[in-house]
Amino acid sequence: DVKVTQSSRYLVKRTGEKVFLECVQDMDHENMFWYRQDPGLGLRLIYFSYDVKMKEKGDIPEGYSVSREKKERFSLILESASTNQTSMYLCASSSDRMLQETQYFGPGTRLLVL
Amino acid sequence: GQQLNQSPQSMFIQEGEDVSMNCTSSSIFNTWLWYKQDPGEGPVLLIALYKAGELTSNGRLTAQFGITRKDSFLNISASIPSDVGIYFCAGQLSQGAQKLVFGQGTRLTINP
Repeated sequence: DVKVTQSSRYLVKRTGEKVFLECVQDMDHENMFWYRQDPGLGLRLIYFSYDVKMKEKGDIPEGYSVSREKKERFSLILESASTNQTSMYLCASSSDRMLQETQYFGPGTRLLVL
Repeated sequence: GQQLNQSPQSMFIQEGEDVSMNCTSSSIFNTWLWYKQDPGEGPVLLIALYKAGELTSNGRLTAQFGITRKDSFLNISASIPSDVGIYFCAGQLSQGAQKLVFGQGTRLTINP
């Protein structure tokens, strides 16, 4: 079974703090993704990576950056957290070995920015 | 960014009732996926559809890939309390594309 883990389930930070959200997958997947989930808006893609040290902007990258130094790990960074970044953050991974895209999700990190 | 139109946004039903939800788009999709998210958890894949017209079942769940490749539906028969959650459709625009497009989700609530 694919396992995607996220470093924290719940996180409370103050405005202006630098925030790191970590994601690790154990299936040697090439692709990794960060989404945020807000009520009524579904899942919106922030950034994704299709290889080590490679990254692509998603639909809402503003205010975020990412790092992928190792294949199994994909980090989402909030350089200066703001209250409108309070949300549920979901990490996912997928394999290039399958032509049809199936993404496997972690349990999510619920971030509250005060 | 592009999104799928998923409906209904929420459903309140009695235990034992059947449920139907659907997703539509103006774009043609290569793959349709249906995910379920339990409260406080990440989405889990329920059914994957890879061919237009394909009808696939997973227990009490049945999903179809529309003939036009622009829509998909998910049915749940004889609902039970553990069916509660948010259901998302997702589509892949082209073969080999790494990104998925997600619907807004359908929140299912069941009265016992």
